Amino acid sequence: GAVVSQHPSWVICKSGTSVKIECRSLDFQATTMFWYRQFPKQSLMLMATSNEGSKATYEQGVEKDKFLINHASLTLSTLTVTSAHPEDSSFYICSASILATGELFFGEGSRLTVL
Amino acid sequence: RKEVEQDPGPFNVPEGATVAFNCTYSNSASQSFFWYRQDCRKEPKLLMSVYSSGNEDGRFTAQLNRASQYISLLIRDSKLSDSATYLCVVKGTYKYIFGTGTRLKVLA
Repeated sequence: GAVVSQHPSWVICKSGTSVKIECRSLDFQATTMFWYRQFPKQSLMLMATSNEGSKATYEQGVEKDKFLINHASLTLSTLTVTSAHPEDSSFYICSASILATGELFFGEGSRLTVL
Repeated sequence: RKEVEQDPGPFNVPEGATVAFNCTYSNSASQSFFWYRQDCRKEPKLLMSVYSSGNEDGRFTAQLNRASQYISLLIRDSKLSDSATYLCVVKGTYKYIFGTGTRLKVLA
């Protein structure tokens, strides 16, 4: 299947700092990427849809000024958690779809711990 | 009613058993259907797409019933390594809707 790479896998930061997570499609171009958050033993929750060259579309209840998304190229989307707080600690996952098949491929996820 | 519904389980089955999961969806205009597998603290991985004609991949068989708006996943000869959460994913025009997942435990 297609490969989506996410970096970093783990990050620990102090409260108040900002953290950037990268999501890359390695062997295909992705005009659309998705960002999710998953708390332990809960379902994936879609945070936003990232569109190359345009503004991201955020789900209801997700603060766009806190979770900054940039999709500057067809292979890279970034999520920046600004002024992170302990309640932002979670597993953040990105995904990208293959237009022809609709199949969705996920990055490995980034586990954020805010102290 | 949720857009995509799954029984959360857990389904505890012995090795070698056959187990089936269903997933219902509410939007009749849904276009594509998939089963994903997610292991604990890992990302979901595509298990198989679900086609109208049904499809099989080794011990796994997926079926789509558009009239009743559900998809199913059948696992034959369960292995310990099949223990995971199985996510049903339904694609509409613009969005992917995830079920909450069904947890499977295969017991020795």
